[in-house]
Amino acid sequence: EDKVVQSPLSLVVHEGDTVTLNCSYEVTNFRSLLWYKQEKKAPTFLFMLTSSGIEKKSGRLSSILDKKELSSILNITATQTGDSAIYLCAVDSPLDSNYQLIWGAGTKLIIKP
Amino acid sequence: NAGVTQTPKFQVLKTGQSMTLQCAQDMNHEYMSWYRQDPGMGLRLIHYSVGAGITDQGEVPNGYNVSRSTTEDFPLRLLSAAPSQTSVYFCASSYRGNEKLFFGSGTQLSVL
Repeated sequence: EDKVVQSPLSLVVHEGDTVTLNCSYEVTNFRSLLWYKQEKKAPTFLFMLTSSGIEKKSGRLSSILDKKELSSILNITATQTGDSAIYLCAVDSPLDSNYQLIWGAGTKLIIKP
Repeated sequence: NAGVTQTPKFQVLKTGQSMTLQCAQDMNHEYMSWYRQDPGMGLRLIHYSVGAGITDQGEVPNGYNVSRSTTEDFPLRLLSAAPSQTSVYFCASSYRGNEKLFFGSGTQLSVL
């Protein structure tokens, strides 16, 4: 059975710390891996990683795909209270359905001032 | 820029009642989908559509119906609500498949 596992489930750090969130996957057919940030309600898109582009960076956030280890990490440097959110990882693994994303349960990140 | 608009934000139903969750997007996206989010679990796909007049089932379609008569609208109908359908529901759209989903603000549904 295809699955995506995120760790840790929750994390509490102080403002200014650097955090690393993990996402590992076991899927039959890998197309891409996506990261989303969920504050309060709607998830918002952060990054998409494919075999042809294994690292993405945007400001203090960066993500790397390790196809050998079947995993990805999301790094956040110099954390701010506004980074507090649930971070979701999903893998696009087309099989019968070309639109089936497999989602992890998320990592809840709390940044203390 | 409205993006993806979902209504209502909250709803309480009694077992057996039916209702429709509304979803509209103004980005001219062909792909639209409905997810449910339950505590401790990842988002699960209920139904999706790749264009007007085309819908298909996702991972957990039982108890739900959809239709797509226009590019903009993708309503989700609960036929006969059950307590197991208590969840947060999200509508999402994208220009192309799963590459970058835009989510609505969600509907918190409780079935008593």
